[in-house]
Amino acid sequence: DAKTTQPPSMDCAEGRAANLPCNHSTISGNEYVYWYRQIHSQGPQYIIHGLKNNETNEMASLIITEDRKSSTLILPHATLRDTAVYYCIAPGRAGTALIFGKGTTLSVSS
Amino acid sequence: EAGVTQFPSHSVIEKGQTVTLRCDPISGHDNLYWYRRVMGKEIKFLLHFVKESKQDESGMPNNRFLAERTGGTYSTLKVQPAELEDSGVYFCASSVRVNYGYTFGSGTRLTVV
Repeated sequence: DAKTTQPPSMDCAEGRAANLPCNHSTISGNEYVYWYRQIHSQGPQYIIHGLKNNETNEMASLIITEDRKSSTLILPHATLRDTAVYYCIAPGRAGTALIFGKGTTLSVSS
Repeated sequence: EAGVTQFPSHSVIEKGQTVTLRCDPISGHDNLYWYRRVMGKEIKFLLHFVKESKQDESGMPNNRFLAERTGGTYSTLKVQPAELEDSGVYFCASSVRVNYGYTFGSGTRLTVV
């Protein structure tokens, strides 16, 4: 699997944008980047994924650099309920399951 | 659309006993995955089914763990005999394709005493 590196923790004020970085410098040309989060002890929740172009959905935006060596997940208006562990995943071979790392613990405070 | 269902939600068993966890994926999802999170550790991949076939079982910790998915619908994960270090939360997920969003269940919290 492509190795991903994320900061262990980040803080964000409620209502502000949360920008979570991820480095995946060894990613290959056809590997997607996936973002999931786990709120407390619930099951992980899919957020977004992308290959080359920036992506946006109702939950977040994903900005991927042109060289694809890093990406940023953006939560435009963070709320207290966005407090969670966020995982950036770049799986290896096509057809292989996702492997979770340590992720970034995002704490949103009022 | 019903989500991924897991049961039981909690299970407490004694060391040496057998426990069977069940996962019902979203209808039509050929891909089914098992993961577990031991206290304080990362979420670890256990195995991946495509329909009824085991695509990848490289994460299964040892031969005390047996996963099945007969008929390509629901899946079971049996731990026999259970050990203390098997305690944790076991998550199941399903997806239409491997390179697509996974939907996770709420997990089964297993406690071995």
